[in-house]
Amino acid sequence: DAGVIQSPRHEVTEMGQEVTLRCKPISGHDYLFWYRQTMMRGLELLIYFNNNVPIDDSGMPEDRFSAKMPNASFSTLKIQPSEPRDSAVYFCASATKLGRESSYNEQFFGPGTRLTVL
Amino acid sequence: SQKIEQNSEALNIQEGKTATLTCNYTNYSPAYLQWYRQDPGRGPVFLLLIRENEKEKRKERLKVTFDTTLKQSLFHITASQPADSATYLCALGDSGGGADGLTFGKGTHLIIQP
Repeated sequence: DAGVIQSPRHEVTEMGQEVTLRCKPISGHDYLFWYRQTMMRGLELLIYFNNNVPIDDSGMPEDRFSAKMPNASFSTLKIQPSEPRDSAVYFCASATKLGRESSYNEQFFGPGTRLTVL
Repeated sequence: SQKIEQNSEALNIQEGKTATLTCNYTNYSPAYLQWYRQDPGRGPVFLLLIRENEKEKRKERLKVTFDTTLKQSLFHITASQPADSATYLCALGDSGGGADGLTFGKGTHLIIQP
């Protein structure tokens, strides 16, 4: 299995531009999570989906952020318009509730997208 | 508000010794706690899970304890090796009925010196 795939790996954009981050979860996983990591705030949950349905979006910072999961193998996180304070590494992770008891809710992370907003 | 604290400063340990990392939390009653390892430029990787009704879990050279009274978890790496150098994150989860989003600490940077 290729693991969780994220694209692009790096994104540099100017303030005010729209940014779209993409994620392909592990096949068969029914949960998908978007996290953001910064030095100041650490790793924060933004939103997660179960069977393509958003379950908890309370971590989405503001209306400029939106996430979709049109099917089981693809999700996007969009920022419009982007601001310098959005600069961070954005991780996508997937999980399944059918895993081993000893690894309940083990989340498999992608390599991340490093976003820089100038 | 919920708060998770991990050693903010890097932890330097001599090779072969036991490394002990601490995770403290407040205003939280997690159903389980996980530990992840993160290497530079990579996503976190799951290591161990411990539930609220468990005191201790072991996996090879790793051991984790969970004290819900103290609201603390300790993560031990015995016979440490330079390859164990990484950032270690603790994560707390709420539910027992399915996967859910995790609340992470900021991590402790562990350096194992040869």
